Amino acid sequence: DTGVSQNPRHKITKRGQNVTFRCDPISEHNRLYWYRQTLGQGPEFLTYFQNEAQLEKSRLLSDRFSAERPKGSFSTLEIQRTEQGDSAMYLCASSDRTGTRWTEAFFGQGTRLTVV
Amino acid sequence: DQQVKQNSPSLSVQEGRISILNCDYTNSMFDYFLWYKKYPAEGPTFLISISSIKDKNEDGRFTVFLNKSAKHLSLHIVPSQPGDSAVYFCAAQGGSEKLVFGKGTKLTVNP
Repeated sequence: DTGVSQNPRHKITKRGQNVTFRCDPISEHNRLYWYRQTLGQGPEFLTYFQNEAQLEKSRLLSDRFSAERPKGSFSTLEIQRTEQGDSAMYLCASSDRTGTRWTEAFFGQGTRLTVV
Repeated sequence: DQQVKQNSPSLSVQEGRISILNCDYTNSMFDYFLWYKKYPAEGPTFLISISSIKDKNEDGRFTVFLNKSAKHLSLHIVPSQPGDSAVYFCAAQGGSEKLVFGKGTKLTVNP
């Protein structure tokens, strides 16, 4: 198991374009999370899935953002009509249940988005 | 409104000495706290956690202390090593599955 994998690692796009990121969680991890980190800030929660169900979404996730986890395995995060303010590191994490609680979240290396 | 605060953006210590990183929180719903370490160009890596039913948790050189009445936790690293140089994030969880992170403290351990 190679951990949480995110692709691409870097993405440069022009304002107004659509972008899609992919996250492959640790195999058999039921929960998958998306976070966004901007310079000088800690990661901020965007959304999470338990299997294929999207259970919570942050107010940060505007209508231009959509996340899916169609088969309960990998997930995609799409940003439509990108804006310069979308420039950030997008982090994916996964966790599994052990006993009565979930494990800590294991993070991928992130996708750095630059909107020019 | 920042619910998790790390008021020291940076900390510098000598190799072999103790590093103490602090974190304050405001939300009484938080019942689980974690520390993550982050190297440049990598995602955060889990370090240690503590439940609100405890006041101390130790793992090797790393100890986390929780003071619920003060809504304060700290991470102690003893002895500090140059490889510990990284950004450390405090995170809290409670009432929701999301983690709420502080802004991080950059630790530099000088040889």
